[in-house]
Amino acid sequence: DIQMTQSPSSLSASVGDRVTITCRASQSIGRYLNWYQHKPGKAPMLLIYAVSTFLSGVPTRFSGSGAGADFTLTISSLQPEDSATYYCQQSYSTPRTFGQGTKVEIK
Amino acid sequence: EVQLVESGGGLVQPGGSLRLSCAASGFTVSSNSMSWVRQAPGKGLEWVSIIYSGGSTYYADSVKDRFSLSRDNSKNTLYLQMNSLRAEDTAVYYCARDRSTVTGFWYSDYWGQGTLVTVSS
Repeated sequence: DIQMTQSPSSLSASVGDRVTITCRASQSIGRYLNWYQHKPGKAPMLLIYAVSTFLSGVPTRFSGSGAGADFTLTISSLQPEDSATYYCQQSYSTPRTFGQGTKVEIK
Repeated sequence: EVQLVESGGGLVQPGGSLRLSCAASGFTVSSNSMSWVRQAPGKGLEWVSIIYSGGSTYYADSVKDRFSLSRDNSKNTLYLQMNSLRAEDTAVYYCARDRSTVTGFWYSDYWGQGTLVTVSS
């Protein structure tokens, strides 16, 4: 199985800060990398698929980059509603493993 | 509007069985691939299983041979039959619709609110 490792596990930042979350796969997964946002008591929400592609409705302050085994999710200007846990997921093969999550808190 | 509503969760004893339902609206379950993902208390998301539109199913090793997926086309509903339940199966279970681009990139674009399964004596 492909292991996904995120860092950091948690972070605290101020409104307006630039936030970066990294995700590393245990092997090359090309561009088969998704990012989800999950708030307590809510359904997870897809932010980005195929490393950097959005569905409509996702704020443009979110962006993704990377290829192979190293990937990044960036929030360009953190907003209060971005307080959540963020997960990367590989869709290269089943099981479609998730990273352990990065909890983002607002200072 | 696409909606997914899970049900069927509850308290069950170790070794027991439970069937979760995922009722869909706004799209046809049998024409889409569908996944289950769970979140144990205080833990992260864990991928559980997928049924492709063609009917092929795959399971995480942790649930293989104990969980099984099925669909009821007349009810537009996906089911997760869970047998031989263990304490470590305690989690909120989410169903999700899976989509694929023409270039083969898969993602889960709609999710339900989840249903809680508690395995305890």
